Amino acid sequence: GAGVSQSPSNKVTEKGKDVELRCDPISGHTALYWYRQRLGQGLEFLIYFQGNSAPDKSGLPSDRFSAERTGESVSTLTIQRTQQEDSAVYLCASSLADWGLNSPLHFGNGTRLTVT
Amino acid sequence: QQPVQSPQAVILREGEDAVINCSSSKALYSVHWYRQKHGEAPVFLMILLKGGEQKGHDKISASFNEKKQQSSLYLTASQLSYSGTYFCGTEITSWAGGTSYGKLTFGQGTILTVHP
Repeated sequence: GAGVSQSPSNKVTEKGKDVELRCDPISGHTALYWYRQRLGQGLEFLIYFQGNSAPDKSGLPSDRFSAERTGESVSTLTIQRTQQEDSAVYLCASSLADWGLNSPLHFGNGTRLTVT
Repeated sequence: QQPVQSPQAVILREGEDAVINCSSSKALYSVHWYRQKHGEAPVFLMILLKGGEQKGHDKISASFNEKKQQSSLYLTASQLSYSGTYFCGTEITSWAGGTSYGKLTFGQGTILTVHP
């Protein structure tokens, strides 16, 4: 079946502009995650959605970052007033887990964001 | 709360074995292992849940010692296809005995290179 889909695959933006990144999870997956991966670095947790529960936003680096999820479907990550340090690959992942992490995360191919 | 992986990098010849370690300063509920090839999304290898179980996947296996708050990934008779960056992801147990459900925090990764 279809995997996790992210768009755009690449985004180049000027410093100070807002960007919106989209994630379509695997159908039926209740859990959705956003991670940031800077060049040559690890996976930095940003935010987690689980069903109708309040999202865990503890990883969002500043108030310029926000994310929404419509029900158990598409999610958008918005970065306002982008800065050069926001340049990274933004990865979305979804999981079947109802509660707890006993199911694997399925990652999308990411959006490569470059802020000039 | 980010787990610590060691070593940071490993270089092997085909057929050699390797061990990658993952340790946490917090009590762990589960440990995930993923492999990421250059320019691709991370791919799930295995999950180990609290209980000290050891899992295997072809010639790749892992153990989870919850007492030591550690997990190790064992790669035996390595193949060229094993090359990539290996990440462990940990879900911690809160001090109250509950679980910080859903927040999978990843280590910085171990770069594994297998040469012919």
